[in-house]
Amino acid sequence: EAGVAQSPRYKIIEKRQSVAFWCNPISGHATLYWYQQILGQGPKLLIQFQNNGVVDDSQLPKDRFSAERLKGVDSTLKIQPAKLEDSAVYLCASSHTSGSYNEQFFGPGTRLTVL
Amino acid sequence: AQKITQTQPGMFVQEKEAVTLDCTYDTSDQSYGLFWYKQPSSGEMIFLIYQGSYDEQNATEGRYSLNFQKARKSANLVISASQLGDSAMYFCAMRDNYGQNFVFGPGTRLSVLP
Repeated sequence: EAGVAQSPRYKIIEKRQSVAFWCNPISGHATLYWYQQILGQGPKLLIQFQNNGVVDDSQLPKDRFSAERLKGVDSTLKIQPAKLEDSAVYLCASSHTSGSYNEQFFGPGTRLTVL
Repeated sequence: AQKITQTQPGMFVQEKEAVTLDCTYDTSDQSYGLFWYKQPSSGEMIFLIYQGSYDEQNATEGRYSLNFQKARKSANLVISASQLGDSAMYFCAMRDNYGQNFVFGPGTRLSVLP
């Protein structure tokens, strides 16, 4: 089966610009996650969707970050406007369902550099 | 709030030897799940092993085993017979019983020496 797809793989923007990332989860996976991984740190969960509904967005900086998952499949994460501290790798993951045991499959990530 | 601590920023191990990567966690939940992931330099996150809080036996997956000590709130990863390809960052993570509040630790960089 095809893995989690993300695009673009790399993005360089200047501060105050806007940027969007796209994620296509594994077919049939109801749960989708967006993580931010700053260099040298573990991933931090930004938002979790169950189908097209938000389950957890407690760590999403809502003043500048937004995410949607229309139709419960693909998802986009947007930053508007970007700050220097947003430089990180943005990882998308999906799992079949939510629940205590549910292996998450990760995409290759999008490396964002904000200048 | 849940928290994961990994106190070893870096570890070295000789090829073919075993190594233990430490992980302690903090949670007020009675039911939760613990995970280990591997992240090579290429960046992808690879699932290694899972332990449920009510699982009585320690989880094993090939050369990976999880030394789960619930009373101590520790979930150490043991890699047996290390290989050069095991050199990577290793992250311990946990989630609550509802599949939410997924938290990663800061990671341990493992270097396997020939």
